[in-house]
Amino acid sequence: NAGVTQTPKFRVLKTGQSMTLLCAQDMNHEYMYWYRQDPGMGLRLIHYSVGEGTTAKGEVPDGYNVSRLKKQNFLLGLESAAPSQTSVYFCASSRIPPGRGSTGELFFGEGSRLTVL
Amino acid sequence: DAKTTQPNSMESNEEEPVHLPCNHSTISGTDYIHWYRQLPSQGPEYVIHGLTSNVNNRMASLAIAEDRKSSTLILHRATLRDAAVYYCIPPQTQGGSEKLVFGKGTKLTVNP
Repeated sequence: NAGVTQTPKFRVLKTGQSMTLLCAQDMNHEYMYWYRQDPGMGLRLIHYSVGEGTTAKGEVPDGYNVSRLKKQNFLLGLESAAPSQTSVYFCASSRIPPGRGSTGELFFGEGSRLTVL
Repeated sequence: DAKTTQPNSMESNEEEPVHLPCNHSTISGTDYIHWYRQLPSQGPEYVIHGLTSNVNNRMASLAIAEDRKSSTLILHRATLRDAAVYYCIPPQTQGGSEKLVFGKGTKLTVNP
């Protein structure tokens, strides 16, 4: 059972290039999330999805786009990469939303380290 | 939304108990407290969650104050593998949706 798989694990981009990070989960979870983590910082939510075909903005959505065409996949796109997007990106999924009154557990991938030169 | 306060760092010796505190004085009555940890170079992983009473699982124990304004994650016998950043997370509502918002957490160092 793979859980949450992120590809690629490492990538170096030049400013202005585009790329897509893929998150795949095999747990049939409805909810999926993309976070970024910068040195010495906690995780910040970029975008999330509450089901196939849906997406919503998190805390820091600017410069990113997402798509959830299939339930098991959540894609994070950078159309024109900037050095400020150098970060480690984590994808997570959950069966139910981990919010108020909820015990929903988040399952995380191992991260994708992106460097933008 | 509930705000949390955790120490930036703590140190422990191997095989000793560790008590990681968290203040969440503005938590509402139905909000579960979630704890996650992040090992070096890995994604966060779930540790434990609780509502009102103390909780135990194979990884840790969670002691929740009677007034629910604070909680303590207890590692009964720290191992080197427990060195990680520990996040105490009450749920928050952002943009009309409920989610977990991670702060900076407590970096636990375990000395051999």
